[in-house]
Amino acid sequence: EAQVTQNPRYLITVTGKKLTVTCSQNMNHEYMSWYRQDPGLGLRQIYYSMNVEVTDKGDVPEGYKVSRKEKRNFPLILESPSPNQTSLYFCASSLGRGDTEAFFGQGTRLTVV
Amino acid sequence: GENVEQHPSTLSVQEGDSAVIKCTYSDSASNYFPWYKQELGKRPQLIIDIRSNVGEKKDQRIAVTLNKTAKHFSLHITETQPEDSAVYFCAASHLYGNKLVFGAGTILRVKS
Repeated sequence: EAQVTQNPRYLITVTGKKLTVTCSQNMNHEYMSWYRQDPGLGLRQIYYSMNVEVTDKGDVPEGYKVSRKEKRNFPLILESPSPNQTSLYFCASSLGRGDTEAFFGQGTRLTVV
Repeated sequence: GENVEQHPSTLSVQEGDSAVIKCTYSDSASNYFPWYKQELGKRPQLIIDIRSNVGEKKDQRIAVTLNKTAKHFSLHITETQPEDSAVYFCAASHLYGNKLVFGAGTILRVKS
């Protein structure tokens, strides 16, 4: 089954404690991205990757890091989480760039206390 | 960069009525306009999309219209059903763009 898988689904952590949210897709998609979803703000792009070892900032990259060492995986790293990073996070992959269907993971609800 | 505005933020309709959600975009180079539906607690999923060489597209009870001159596009849902209740997001992008830019979302409630 074609899918994008994120882990964990839920995470509560403390300020400053490094964490990683994993994302994996089995569709051989080149393009992957991370979004955060906040009420009234829609989905805002954090980082994206056009292929292995090619990543770039989206609209809200501050406080986040990513890596793309393999085509299928695109982890999101919060080196020092802060309460304003409490949000619902989605990973997505697509065959092409912005003009093709994005397939989303099931989401990660992160709470930073 | 691209900016997408979406209205209304919430919409309540009676079952069987029609619902219309409108979006405007700022970048005249945008040529791809998808709509995503997000049910409560679920991931966003594509329900319909339109490209700039087409003015209207239909898929059963849903349709999307595009006015390139005015830079706006709309989602139309006819004969609404309770299972249409969800958050709907519009988005805009273009062939050489590196991202989809989403609107803020519309909460649609269909009352039975």
